Amino acid sequence: TQLLEQSPQFLSIQEGENLTVYCNSSSVFSSLQWYRQEPGEGPVLLVTVVTGGEVKKLKRLTFQFGDARKDSSLHITAAQPGDTGLYLCAGAWDMRFGAGTRLTVKP
Amino acid sequence: GAVVSQHPSWVICKSGTSVKIECRSLDFQATTMFWYRQFPKQSLMLMATSNEGSKATYEQGVEKDKFLINHASLTLSTLTVTSAHPEDSSFYICSAWQGNQPQHFGDGTRLSIL
Repeated sequence: TQLLEQSPQFLSIQEGENLTVYCNSSSVFSSLQWYRQEPGEGPVLLVTVVTGGEVKKLKRLTFQFGDARKDSSLHITAAQPGDTGLYLCAGAWDMRFGAGTRLTVKP
Repeated sequence: GAVVSQHPSWVICKSGTSVKIECRSLDFQATTMFWYRQFPKQSLMLMATSNEGSKATYEQGVEKDKFLINHASLTLSTLTVTSAHPEDSSFYICSAWQGNQPQHFGDGTRLSIL
């Protein structure tokens, strides 16, 4: 089992601020996925990163996969209240999730 | 895009009742379905992996006699919580996987045992 640690566990910021959340492991992942989950719903896939050092952008979200493929980060620029949710990382083949970062963006 | 339907979305029942939750892939055949459990303000915990036509593989600490999983077809898996008790109250989520595609999640079932 490949364990994923996410930090911070909770994050509360004001609208317009930037933030970065992290997903770390001692294991190497062939690929890693980021999801966002809103209350009462299933997780929604945001991105899959595959190549070490890869950077993917999704509007105001920037995802980076570490060179050694053991860690990843998600950076949100100018956060909005609609970004509020639980952000989860998971190994694409392992199907197990990290503990998640619960983000609250206040208007 | 691919859709996974989970039913019911919400159920309340008395202690000792058995509850069945269905997970259907509506527009694709799922090689594998996964069942997760989520407590309030926590992440998803993988309970079991289910392949069509074979017995489910349960994660360590998950009672297979308590949580019965049936995966009779490539589009349907069911989770039955047997003799449910208040501590079984949780949010249960399924996902369906084709193989070289990301898994697709249902919207979850909120189970409340009184």
